[in-house]
Amino acid sequence: GAVVSQHPSRVICKSGTSVKIECRSLDFQATTMFWYRQFPKQSLMLMATSNEGSKATYEQGVEKDKFLINHASLTLSTLTVTSAHPEDSSFYICSARDRVGAYYGYTFGSGTRLTVV
Amino acid sequence: GENVEQHPSTLSVQEGDSAVIKCTYSDSASNYFPWYKQELGKRPQLIIDIRSNVGEKKDQRIAVTLNKTAKHFSLHITETQPEDSAVYFCAASTSGTYKYIFGTGTRLKVLA
Repeated sequence: GAVVSQHPSRVICKSGTSVKIECRSLDFQATTMFWYRQFPKQSLMLMATSNEGSKATYEQGVEKDKFLINHASLTLSTLTVTSAHPEDSSFYICSARDRVGAYYGYTFGSGTRLTVV
Repeated sequence: GENVEQHPSTLSVQEGDSAVIKCTYSDSASNYFPWYKQELGKRPQLIIDIRSNVGEKKDQRIAVTLNKTAKHFSLHITETQPEDSAVYFCAASTSGTYKYIFGTGTRLKVLA
């Protein structure tokens, strides 16, 4: 089945630094990648949608200059949290749309737990 | 935009009993409804889904029903087992945006 590899799984960084999270589709072409944020015991909140070769579309309330998304190829999308602060600590997870024209059965990455100290 | 409500937030059942989780959605254009199971610290896994042209779908102990008129859909798990314990999320999507909007989640505990 479709596999999405997400790295790193855990990262601790100092306040003010930037952190890059990668999601790779291993055996399919991800035409669209979705980035979510999940606080403890809460739901998955969609942050942005990225299509290969295009600028990401951000959900209302998500700062695009803080959460930089790049989807330069059909197998790689990255999320960079810039100038991270403790309130950015969260579980970040990507999901990939794995067939052109399909909108079902997206595959999730394994998630990244970010802790900003 | 789409809004998905999910109930209950927590659910405890005895092993062997059935569990039902309900979701309602607001956007009548939504036409695809997946259910995901998430174990602690792990990625969500798709367990069943239903499209708007179908009223019910079953896969072994798991079934999903959809009422388009009322804009609600439900997950039914029969003969629950301890390994069914997890957080379950419903979601709604439209073919136009391809986005999944998730419900708030239900923490299911199956008591042995």
